[in-house]
Amino acid sequence: DTAVSQTPKYLVTQMGNDKSIKCEQNLGHDTMYWYKQDSKKFLKIMFSYNNKELIINETVPNRFSPKSPDKAHLNLHINSLELGDSAVYFCASSRAGGGTEAFFGQGTRLTVV
Amino acid sequence: AQSVSQHNHHVILSEAASLELGCNYSYGGTVNLFWYVQYPGQHLQLLLKYFSGDPLVKGIKGFEAEFIKSKFSFNLRKPSVQWSDTAEYFCALGAGGATNKLIFGTGTLLAVQP
Repeated sequence: DTAVSQTPKYLVTQMGNDKSIKCEQNLGHDTMYWYKQDSKKFLKIMFSYNNKELIINETVPNRFSPKSPDKAHLNLHINSLELGDSAVYFCASSRAGGGTEAFFGQGTRLTVV
Repeated sequence: AQSVSQHNHHVILSEAASLELGCNYSYGGTVNLFWYVQYPGQHLQLLLKYFSGDPLVKGIKGFEAEFIKSKFSFNLRKPSVQWSDTAEYFCALGAGGATNKLIFGTGTLLAVQP
């Protein structure tokens, strides 16, 4: 069973479109995250949700809107896609509280053309 | 400010060679440190972690890391690498608290030649 699953795995779209990436975890974790990995493989946190509440928003443009319908799901919606949004987006989850390891999904490779 | 530095961006080794990847962090509080590995085209997997206690931690696949507080370092080691260890390796700092976010280093690409 996949612990953290994301769909789709690949996403190719035109500039200006709106797209969503879905994430689900079956680990019973309270905290979920979105990380962005750029073309140089640098990973940076975008958002963190704890039990459906937003607790981190790392100066991400308003075009990115996370939504957590329940603590097992954290979706990422992106409006008006730009070329610079091309990256690999990783969903992750962990138990609540500090100092616990994160489990990552397979990643979604977004290409904006 | 919290940060993680990995000084080796690209390492090439022959099979059976020993490996040491450097990781230094900057953080004033209690640290939690991790090494993650990303095989080509795959997601990040945890190799090992340090929270407290014995500063020498052992992980999966024969990897180990040593936390040296005085040097703000958490270097990754493996005595004998294999071709299958070819991957990107990321050191990460867990800043703790309720946010639980990870701050990653820039990664080290390890290529092991058979």
